[in-house]
Amino acid sequence: DQQVKQNSPSLSVQEGRISILNCDYTNSMFDYFLWYKKYPAEGPTFLISISSIKDKNEDGRFTVFLNKSAKHLSLHIVPSQPGDSAVYFCAASGHNQGGKLIFGQGTELSVKP
Amino acid sequence: NAGVMQNPRHLVRRRGQEARLRCSPMKGHSHVYWYRQLPEEGLKFMVYLQKENIIDESGMPKERFSAEFPKEGPSILRIQQVVRGDSAAYFCASSLAGPTGELFFGEGSRLTVL
Repeated sequence: DQQVKQNSPSLSVQEGRISILNCDYTNSMFDYFLWYKKYPAEGPTFLISISSIKDKNEDGRFTVFLNKSAKHLSLHIVPSQPGDSAVYFCAASGHNQGGKLIFGQGTELSVKP
Repeated sequence: NAGVMQNPRHLVRRRGQEARLRCSPMKGHSHVYWYRQLPEEGLKFMVYLQKENIIDESGMPKERFSAEFPKEGPSILRIQQVVRGDSAAYFCASSLAGPTGELFFGEGSRLTVL
């Protein structure tokens, strides 16, 4: 039972353009959503998060959008840079379950110069 | 750098042997989480520990797996009688504030069972 789904295993984008990574979830009890970035042979690093009381959170080139009615969130990276090439994981947690994250399968982003 | 330290980074075991993975949390962090990443999958929660206590082990397989976080020393994830299906990357994460705190992940321990 995959509660958090990233349906695109890979995405290729030209440098300077926008990267849009998508994530769907099924559990309406989730109230906190995060994106992690992972390079090969390294652990995931926190990128950006959003609480369910918001529909948008922005941090520099990274913006996360949350559509609760559709149970969908997306990460926008603009402009994309080659250093952004990595696997991006969407994760969710329920109330007071912050450390117990439910991860999606990941989307491998490749930003080409 | 006082990040989350995991060792060994790579571990090879034969079927039936035991694997012990260690995790030292970030300085000052007393909440430790273990996650497992199977090939081509996302990370899956295994267990949440505080010093000397298992808080949530709902993601741990019922047999052969155990975890501890003693008063002194690192957290240990122990897998007895390993099987090929245990081959995975095991990530430890720590947080300062438990359920409401940001997780900081280690670089992972990659277990290969021959």
